[in-house]
Amino acid sequence: AQKVTQAQTEISVVEKEDVTLDCVYETRDTTYYLFWYKQPPSGELVFLIRRNSFDEQNEISGRYSWNFQKSTSSFNFTITASQVVDSAVYFCALSERGNSGGYQKVTFGIGTKLQVIP
Amino acid sequence: NAGVTQTPKFRILKIGQSMTLQCTQDMNHNYMYWYRQDPGMGLKLIYYSVGAGITDKGEVPNGYNVSRSTTEDFPLRLELAAPSQTSVYFCATGESSYEQYFGPGTRLTVT
Repeated sequence: AQKVTQAQTEISVVEKEDVTLDCVYETRDTTYYLFWYKQPPSGELVFLIRRNSFDEQNEISGRYSWNFQKSTSSFNFTITASQVVDSAVYFCALSERGNSGGYQKVTFGIGTKLQVIP
Repeated sequence: NAGVTQTPKFRILKIGQSMTLQCTQDMNHNYMYWYRQDPGMGLKLIYYSVGAGITDKGEVPNGYNVSRSTTEDFPLRLELAAPSQTSVYFCATGESSYEQYFGPGTRLTVT
């Protein structure tokens, strides 16, 4: 079973629509971290958000919001009023404790490609 | 500050050749990582390091070697290149559970 599942491989929306990207994770650790990264067509990876397993508060940053629910092992990402610049591949990632201490055991989902059509 | 730099940006190797992908950071981060990203896929962790002199295997270490003699540098070595190693390689740095800062990537083709 995948540790990080992003079931939506590609999504297309029309500009100004809202869109939610799903992320479901699997871990036996009680302490872990979840991340979202953006990879625009230029190829670089841009950090968006980090959440630790003890903080289930939802977070909003401008047009971006995140919904973390431990009960369903989900960490979904919503873009409100999407814009063409939001077109990118979005990766969800899980960070668990590694052998050397710390949380270096990072697993990425396969990503969701979002296309925002003008 | 340059952040995380990777060289080269592009490389074509013949099967069986060797090469080293360079990664240098100036953020004084203890943790460094190497990932590969195959077309249309997510990133897979190859190796990581929690500090100078300490390295550990990630999810897909076979065919690669690393060393970490300084805080700044974390080179990735391919000894006998195979077509399956055609990928984009990303180096990243970070501090434990915090976000990772990624380099621009090295696009490697093995033919």
